[in-house]
Amino acid sequence: DTAVSQTPKYLVTQMGNDKSIKCEQNLGHDTMYWYKQDSKKFLKIMFSYNNKELIINETVPNRFSPKSPDKAHLNLHINSLELGDSAVYFCASSQTAGGKHYEQYFGPGTRLTVT
Amino acid sequence: GNSVTQMEGPVTLSEEAFLTINCTYTATGYPSLFWYVQYPGEGLQLLLKATKADDKGSNKGFEATYRKETTSFHLEKGSVQVSDSAVYFCALSVYSTLTFGKGTMLLVSP
Repeated sequence: DTAVSQTPKYLVTQMGNDKSIKCEQNLGHDTMYWYKQDSKKFLKIMFSYNNKELIINETVPNRFSPKSPDKAHLNLHINSLELGDSAVYFCASSQTAGGKHYEQYFGPGTRLTVT
Repeated sequence: GNSVTQMEGPVTLSEEAFLTINCTYTATGYPSLFWYVQYPGEGLQLLLKATKADDKGSNKGFEATYRKETTSFHLEKGSVQVSDSAVYFCALSVYSTLTFGKGTMLLVSP
């Protein structure tokens, strides 16, 4: 009965490869997010989707492309991986009401290591 | 823009000591305020929240009061345990995504 799940938990790959991270939430929320956490634990929003529509796209290289097939899923595809992409990536979800976003629920994270 | 400033860590305490982690914010509009906790190797968990001025959020012995006049949301606990060792993030939300502080690591020794 996991609320927000991500796969895989660990991902080790070489520079130049293309990889995907999957996220699913069973909370019935309408908004999903991707965050990047660097080695100093700093969290930065990358993307946000509301009902399958992109609503936030921070300054992220266009090698990163989110895809939302339905409002319960938000996947992150990364092309041409670089060493600097090594980080922990967190998926999160929340519910909106009256234009306001309520607390977010986070997945366990995917630790990406690019060698 | 919106921003959150937290005290830098690590904060090192002995078990049963009193904990305060300072958090101040800058926001346009009327933010909701949150504390999240990240245990080693895990994702973030919501610890407590407050949605308007003077609200007090509390959970698991932790408390924080939304102080509009000082734009603060300091986290406190009267008696910490070893199991409280984690990274604590203060965050705000104003009709949009969360803006996080940089996190404060808490280390509690027996």
